[in-house]
Amino acid sequence: DTGVSQDPRHKITKRGQNVTFRCDPISEHNRLYWYRQTLGQGPEFLTYFQNEAQLEKSRLLSDRFSAERPKGSFSTLEIQRTEQGDSAMYLCASSPDREEAFFGQGTRLTVV
Amino acid sequence: GDSVTQMEGPVTLSEEAFLTINCTYTATGYPSLFWYVQYPGEGLQLLLKATKADDKGSNKGFEATYRKETTSFHLEKGSVQVSDSAVYFCALSEAGNTPLVFGKGTRLSVIA
Repeated sequence: DTGVSQDPRHKITKRGQNVTFRCDPISEHNRLYWYRQTLGQGPEFLTYFQNEAQLEKSRLLSDRFSAERPKGSFSTLEIQRTEQGDSAMYLCASSPDREEAFFGQGTRLTVV
Repeated sequence: GDSVTQMEGPVTLSEEAFLTINCTYTATGYPSLFWYVQYPGEGLQLLLKATKADDKGSNKGFEATYRKETTSFHLEKGSVQVSDSAVYFCALSEAGNTPLVFGKGTRLSVIA
């Protein structure tokens, strides 16, 4: 297993466009998390899944953001009508229950 | 809500110097505490953790002790190397079962 994989690594989009990111967790990890990290800040929690169920969403996750984890395997994070303030690194992490999280390398989004 | 405060960087040290990065936390319950490290161009990696008061986490020469009385989890290393140059994040998770809450990170640069 090569760890948590995120695709794409970089995305440049025009304001108002929709973007979708993919995360492939470590096999058999039940939990999958999405975080957002801006320059000079620590990662901020967005949402997480236990298998296919989305259990918690941060108030940071506006209605333009949606995440899915069909079949409890990979996950997608979609941002609709992107804004410049959405520019950030989007991190995905997975973990077995009650254990530490393993992070992917992230998707860097730039909205121009 | 829960929060983590860590010393601001950047921290610049000469090789073989002693390192301390301060971290304090606020939590309603009894959190697990973590240090994550992010090397240039790589994803976040767990460095060490402690799950209850007075536990000491250690890895790669780094140590941190869970101090409930001072709500602290300071990271220390006796002799840093150039390869330790990275950004270090302190984080907590309530009962090790909730999404991680991160500090803002401390950038360490070690010069030969």
